[in-house]
Amino acid sequence: NAGVTQTPKFRVLKTGQSMTLLCAQDMNHEYMYWYRQDPGMGLRLIHYSVGEGTTAKGEVPDGYNVSRLKKQNFLLGLESAAPSQTSVYFCASRWTPNTEAFFGQGTRLTVV
Amino acid sequence: GENVEQHPSTLSVQEGDSAVIKCTYSDSASNYFPWYKQELGKGPQLIIDIRSNVGEKKDQRIAVTLNKTAKHFSLHITETQPEDSAVYFCAASRSGNQFYFGTGTSLTVIP
Repeated sequence: NAGVTQTPKFRVLKTGQSMTLLCAQDMNHEYMYWYRQDPGMGLRLIHYSVGEGTTAKGEVPDGYNVSRLKKQNFLLGLESAAPSQTSVYFCASRWTPNTEAFFGQGTRLTVV
Repeated sequence: GENVEQHPSTLSVQEGDSAVIKCTYSDSASNYFPWYKQELGKGPQLIIDIRSNVGEKKDQRIAVTLNKTAKHFSLHITETQPEDSAVYFCAASRSGNQFYFGTGTSLTVIP
């Protein structure tokens, strides 16, 4: 049972390039989340999804888009990367809003 | 939205001593308060959680207390060990979909 898997684990982008981060979970969870983690700022919610075909904005959604075409996958897109998007990105999933969230191993993204 | 504040940002204790991390929240409707441990290079993992109908919960050396009136909750680790060294995050959520985290506490247990 793999849990939550994020792809890729590391990536370096040039300013203006685009990329997609993939999150896959095999626990049949309805709720999925994308967070970014920056030093001294904890985990900040970017976007989330409450089920297949649904997405919603979190605290810091600007510059990101998401899609949930399949229940097990949640994609995070950067259309035009900026240095301010240099961060570690975590995906999480859970059964219901008030149960344990399971996190992936993270994606370290550097935008130069 | 919810605002979760966490203190201290860093904490060093001698092995065997206790460690206490405190969090406050702003939304009185929040009813679920988990604590996560993050080791270097890994994603956060749940270590204990508490719901608003409970004042205290304990799991071996780890305990969490909740004061709904004052809107604060605390993590207590007793008999600390070097493997407890990590970053700890508190979080708060209500019966909705968002999940707000504190800024983290870096705990170092000195052998």
